[in-house]
Amino acid sequence: EDQVTQSPEALRLQEGESSSLNCSYTVSGLRGLFWYRQDPGKGPEFLFTLYSAGEEKEKERLKATLTKKESFLHITAPKPEDSATYLCAVPPGRGGSQGNLIFGKGTKLSVKP
Amino acid sequence: DSGVTQTPKHLITATGQRVTLRCSPRSGDLSVYWYQQSLDQGLQFLIQYYNGEERAKGNILERFSAQQFPDLHSELNLSSLELGDSALYFCASSVQAGEVAGELFFGEGSRLTVL
Repeated sequence: EDQVTQSPEALRLQEGESSSLNCSYTVSGLRGLFWYRQDPGKGPEFLFTLYSAGEEKEKERLKATLTKKESFLHITAPKPEDSATYLCAVPPGRGGSQGNLIFGKGTKLSVKP
Repeated sequence: DSGVTQTPKHLITATGQRVTLRCSPRSGDLSVYWYQQSLDQGLQFLIQYYNGEERAKGNILERFSAQQFPDLHSELNLSSLELGDSALYFCASSVQAGEVAGELFFGEGSRLTVL
């Protein structure tokens, strides 16, 4: 069964304290892995697309990486405005369920000043 | 602002009732997706329409239905509502017409509370 698991569920950091969020997936024939950010009361906002193992994408203090079984979202020197829930998603595997994206339950990041 | 508009933002209703949620996609986007987000289940894909035609269906209950109109706006109809239907309902759109769209633009959601 296609699955996306994110850890930790919640992460509290001090401003400037770097860390990583994990997204592990089981899907046959990965056709991309996508990271989103969701602020409270808002819809998810697209961040990155990764397609192949070894690929990296960066945006400000965020860097996403991909291996054959998982993806990491590295946050360098975070600021309070980075506080949000970070979601990762993958398309269903070939022969799997219909649909566009399977989302993980997210990691809720809190950055304290 | 993603460019995707959802109405209403909040809706409170009683069990057994029927509601309609409305979505206007970004200008130029032909695909519309509906997702349900609850605290325990996370974001769950419900259904996708592309240019008026149903393209993919997820774990959408038979009590729920959707359609996309010629002007590309979409409506999600929820009937015989139960307490467990209380959730955030998101609409998203994309320009991509192909098999998978990873870059989705989400609206701000409609929060449904069933009492």
